[in-house]
Amino acid sequence: SQQGEEDPQALSIQEGENATMNCSYKTSINNLQWYRQNSGRGLVHLILIRSNEREKHSGRLRVTLDTSKKSSSLLITASRAADTASYFCATEGNKLVFGAGTILRVKS
Amino acid sequence: NAGVTQTPKFRVLKTGQSMTLLCAQDMNHEYMYWYRQDPGMGLRLIHYSVGEGTTAKGEVPDGYNVSRLKKQNFLLGLESAAPSQTSVYFCASSFPGTLAGETQYFGPGTRLLVL
Repeated sequence: SQQGEEDPQALSIQEGENATMNCSYKTSINNLQWYRQNSGRGLVHLILIRSNEREKHSGRLRVTLDTSKKSSSLLITASRAADTASYFCATEGNKLVFGAGTILRVKS
Repeated sequence: NAGVTQTPKFRVLKTGQSMTLLCAQDMNHEYMYWYRQDPGMGLRLIHYSVGEGTTAKGEVPDGYNVSRLKKQNFLLGLESAAPSQTSVYFCASSFPGTLAGETQYFGPGTRLLVL
């Protein structure tokens, strides 16, 4: 059973534009994480936001968390071709549960 | 510092054959995990371990066995492979804390095709 569900399933943008991906979940969580997966590679941790945090930044990444709506968003600003990857949210109850991911394509 | 490594990278099996996937980490992590990734399904947890000599079932454990004889190694076994086990398998590790409350570090994956 998947806890987090990402939206959209796929996103195609031009280099320099911002990319926003959303994650919705069903039950209470302790924290939420975002991971990136380049084609044919393992997942790489991007950012963790705890349930008592509303917003967190890391470089060009901005993550928000709204526990009342059970949703999170990942914003990548000034996208680059190298940002092309799949992005997964992972919610934590007593185990980490991954969503199906958003495929982001950044065209140069 | 190699991080998390997986062996082999790719394998083709016939139905009924057995094999073992090896995961090794050099970060002194207590927790280790095995996931499978199928198209459109995200990652699903097969088995995990919270320390040397301990293992536990995840979301989809049927058809798999695991062992954690050494802290740095986590083995995933398929005793009698089935076509439904065709997938990409990822190993991950993390420091203790809450079971999932900290960053997980992933290996590069093993692609398994069962004919």
